[in-house]
Amino acid sequence: GQQVMQIPQYQHVQEGEDFTTYCNSSTTLSNIQWYKQRPGGHPVFLIQLVKSGEVKKQKRLTFQFGEAKKNSSLHITATQTTDVGTYFCAGKGAQKLVFGQGTRLTINP
Amino acid sequence: EAGVAQSPRYKIIEKRQSVAFWCNPISGHATLYWYQQILGQGPKLLIQFQNNGVVDDSQLPKDRFSAERLKGVDSTLKIQPAKLEDSAVYLCASSLVRAGNTIYFGEGSWLTVV
Repeated sequence: GQQVMQIPQYQHVQEGEDFTTYCNSSTTLSNIQWYKQRPGGHPVFLIQLVKSGEVKKQKRLTFQFGEAKKNSSLHITATQTTDVGTYFCAGKGAQKLVFGQGTRLTINP
Repeated sequence: EAGVAQSPRYKIIEKRQSVAFWCNPISGHATLYWYQQILGQGPKLLIQFQNNGVVDDSQLPKDRFSAERLKGVDSTLKIQPAKLEDSAVYLCASSLVRAGNTIYFGEGSWLTVV
């Protein structure tokens, strides 16, 4: 079945450093979504990418969808303590949306 | 706009007991999901409803888990009998049929089985 893998599983950075998480699917995706889950909270939708090679920005966050529509990345520039949490990608294949295992970001102030 | 409502927020039960979780989706959202999230993992889809019909329940352990959405609005997820490995957060979510299937999650029901 469809699998979505995320790396790294954990990332610890100093405040102000950049952060990137990568998402890879075993199958071609119709779209990919990114969610953020704060500690003790629930996943909150960040963005959806649909087109091959698409790049979207939200302030310090940059999201990319690969040309083959099988991989994606989230890059945060100059992290802040408010960026702490777990970032999940979720890839939509033929029918269902499958979540990756997430990348947990911790930040040293 | 009110979000996805879930109850109870926390539940502790002994193994072999039963538990039920309730969810009320965002008004107008035809699609309702139940996810299981074990600590340190991503959400895993248990069941997806479209109105009151089941779209996908391929990962629902049907020998012990059941879910219903009788009137196409709110939903109940039941576990009977519970096992230790069922300890997790049960997330209810909803989405419009269109709008790219963006999913809106509730705050979750935290289950501990002892």
